[in-house]
Amino acid sequence: DIQMTQSPSSLSASVGDRVTITCRASQGISNYLAWYQQKPGKVPKLLIYAASTLQSGVPSRFSGSGSGTDFTLTISSLQPEDVATYYCQKYNSAPFTFGPGTKVDIK
Amino acid sequence: EVQLVESGGGLVKPGGSLRLSCAASGFTFSSYSMNWVRQAPGKGLEWVSSISSSSSYIYYADSVKGRFTISRDNAKNSLYLQMNSLRAEDTAVYYCAREGITIFGVVMSWGQGTLVTVSS
Repeated sequence: DIQMTQSPSSLSASVGDRVTITCRASQGISNYLAWYQQKPGKVPKLLIYAASTLQSGVPSRFSGSGSGTDFTLTISSLQPEDVATYYCQKYNSAPFTFGPGTKVDIK
Repeated sequence: EVQLVESGGGLVKPGGSLRLSCAASGFTFSSYSMNWVRQAPGKGLEWVSSISSSSSYIYYADSVKGRFTISRDNAKNSLYLQMNSLRAEDTAVYYCAREGITIFGVVMSWGQGTLVTVSS
């Protein structure tokens, strides 16, 4: 099965900073990659699918890129409400494995 | 509005069984593939199982294969997860999750979750 890794596992940044999270698949998955945001105590929320397609209603400061094995989620200007754990997920075929998550907080 | 309401969680002893249910409303249930995703306390998300709209395609994570069974009843707008031979490591919040109608594997909507605790 394809394994998903994320880096870093956690980060602390200032409001307004540009934040980048990396997700790597152990084998190529084309662009079948989604990103989710889970705020503390809340249910996960879909941010991006097809590696770079923003889900309706998601702020434009979020963007995704990548294809094959290497993907990134970028927050162009970090806001206090972006404090959350971010997960990538592959969905080219089952199992639809999630990455281990990246916890983002405010410095 | 899409609503997914899980039930059936609780405390069960190792080796025991539990059946989770998910009542769906606000959309045409029979048109969507559905998933179960779990999250152990303080841990990350783990995809558990998926079932296609007509139950033709069913998939499981290796960690639950042979012990868990996913099913659905489109007439009742309901999704189920039969969990047998439960282990301590199955302790988690179990989320019922709906995929996109053309974006298979991506979770578009989540329930609030039901907690399963496996402990003696």
